Amino acid sequence: DTGVSQDPRHKITKRGQNVTFRCDPISEHNRLYWYRQTLGQGPEFLTYFQNEAQLEKSRLLSDRFSAERPKGSFSTLEIQRTEQGDSAMYLCASSSTGHEQFFGPGTRLTVL
Amino acid sequence: GENVEQHPSTLSVQEGDSAVIKCTYSDSASNYFPWYKQELGKRPQLIIDIRSNVGEKKDQRIAVTLNKTAKHFSLHITETQPEDSAVYFCAASPGRGGSEKLVFGKGMKLTVNP
Repeated sequence: DTGVSQDPRHKITKRGQNVTFRCDPISEHNRLYWYRQTLGQGPEFLTYFQNEAQLEKSRLLSDRFSAERPKGSFSTLEIQRTEQGDSAMYLCASSSTGHEQFFGPGTRLTVL
Repeated sequence: GENVEQHPSTLSVQEGDSAVIKCTYSDSASNYFPWYKQELGKRPQLIIDIRSNVGEKKDQRIAVTLNKTAKHFSLHITETQPEDSAVYFCAASPGRGGSEKLVFGKGMKLTVNP
């Protein structure tokens, strides 16, 4: 499968714990995006990278969230001190053009 | 910032009928408008898109139209089939300052009855 992959697919954690998700984009895609989707809503933009550079972050993104893409390939999204409101599907997408964005299967986070 | 509204929120049609989903956007600088199909438990799948310099685009049974003056765009599905049943999301890319983020609508659940 040469599409976007994400790991893990599901994560259950207790409130206050830290979690980290990984995204592997489509090969040769230099752009990588993180979105969050809650039930009954469309994906909501969190942040995006072009190569290693984090070029945009949503103003809604709490300081507890941090994302990296150290070598311009895979990316990680870390949430510190998780809260129940962080429960959502975290989607990653990649693109070579900045327009057509192809999504991964997502990581479903449940915070108890 | 950009705001995308989508309606209706649900639509039920008979197999073979046409379906139309409408979206409006607020930022006149938006320049890219994709449509995604999301089946239950699956990833959003890009099905068609249109750029601001084009008024209409067609791909087999699906077509998208864009009215920049009115700031709305629509997805048309003809000859619907049960496998078209899914949630459809429209999105807009504000484009300001080189932003590449997509702003999504809340989605429309399409049910195609056999």
